[in-house]
Formats: sequence, structure tokens, C-alpha cells
Amino acid sequence: AQSVTQLDSHVSVSEGTPVLLRCNYSSSYSPSLFWYVQHPNKGLQLLLKYTSAATLVKGINGFEAEFKKSETSFHLTKPSAHMSDAAEYFCVVSDRSGTASKLTFGTGTRLQVTL
Amino acid sequence: GAGVSQSPSNKVTEKGKDVELRCDPISGHTALYWYRQSLGQGLEFLIYFQGNSAPDKSGLPSDRFSAERTGGSVSTLTIQRTQQEDSAVYLCASSLVQGARYNEQFFGPGTRLTVL
Repeated sequence: AQSVTQLDSHVSVSEGTPVLLRCNYSSSYSPSLFWYVQHPNKGLQLLLKYTSAATLVKGINGFEAEFKKSETSFHLTKPSAHMSDAAEYFCVVSDRSGTASKLTFGTGTRLQVTL
Repeated sequence: GAGVSQSPSNKVTEKGKDVELRCDPISGHTALYWYRQSLGQGLEFLIYFQGNSAPDKSGLPSDRFSAERTGGSVSTLTIQRTQQEDSAVYLCASSLVQGARYNEQFFGPGTRLTVL
């Protein structure tokens, strides 16, 4: 079985400072990994995805994540936080047993951005 | 274009009643998924449909839960004899499946179910 662990339930940063949201995964084979974002009262939106191509993945809104197999990590980063980044972020792994994949979500990290 | 839509957006029901939640996927998407988001359990997979294949029901928490997808498009999630622990936001997603590549799942806004 595959799983992801988000190490922080809540992260607070000042606007303009870097963001780091941590995620570790467990998988018996090379996984497909994703970060989704959920703004208050909004649907889930895909930020970025890793599917065994480049290990450094760039997503929307300036976010990026690096797949590190040796550390089983897929941390999400952004150089400079913006107020609009305040949301819940989910690290997700995909079950690749079929072509239509079911997702396993981490418990989420709530990002707070202060002035 | 139109995204995934779900109805109703909110549903309040009494314990023991049956409820039906509806999902309209993005036109042309062959895969449809249901997830549940609750305070105690986080976001969890329930069921998915892919084309004409038998659905993967491995995430359904009990036999009170069922889902169908008619005509390869609209899906209905039915919860019979609702319990208070069924209170959650039920999310639907769809994707266009092409071969073995991962295809992004697009999520709807969800249905917030409250069981009194």
C-alpha cells in the first residue's frame, strides 16, 4: 500500500518569505506524486505533478517540488509567499494499478501568510 | 468550459433517511471518482468508474453506500439509512484517461452533507 505523510499540520510564514511544506511518501514502486491546493470554500486544484520524468517539478503560481528518492520526500516550495497562497495543501500519491488512478491524500497542511 | 458540477451544494438530513448526491463530470471524461472529506478521516477515496469496466468500490465504508454511473456520464452516490458519522463533504472528480499516463483529476466543489 502507498501512503504520504505531511509533517506539518500548520505552517505560518510572512508575506515575501519562502514557503516549505514537507511531504514524505511510502511506496513499493516508483510513485506518481502530486500537490493539490484547496482554498476556503473552493474545489481542489492541482498545483503540480511528478510522474517519473524530471525530478524537479514546476507548478502553477510559482510553486515547485523536488522528488528525492533517497529521502522518499516530495517537499513543496515557493521562494516568496503571497497573501493569496493561504490555503490547505495536500500531498497526494496515485495508485498505478490501473489507468484510472485513485488518489491517496495526506492529512493536509494549512498555510497561513501574514503581513 | 464547464467543470465538474455537483448537486446539491448542501444537504441536511435526519438520521436514518436516504440521500442521493449527484455529479456531472466534464464532458468526454471517461473516469469518474468519488471522495469524502471529513474532519476525522481527512480526504479518502470511495469509488471510481472507468469506461465500461466494473467500478472499483474498494473505498466504500459500508454497504449503505452505493454509486452508479448512467450512460458513462452522470453519477449518483446514494447513502442509505444515513448516520451522523456520514456527515462530510463529498467530492467528485473526473479525468480523461489516455493509455497508461496519469491524467489530472478535476474536482467539483463538493456536496456538504450534514446528518442530524
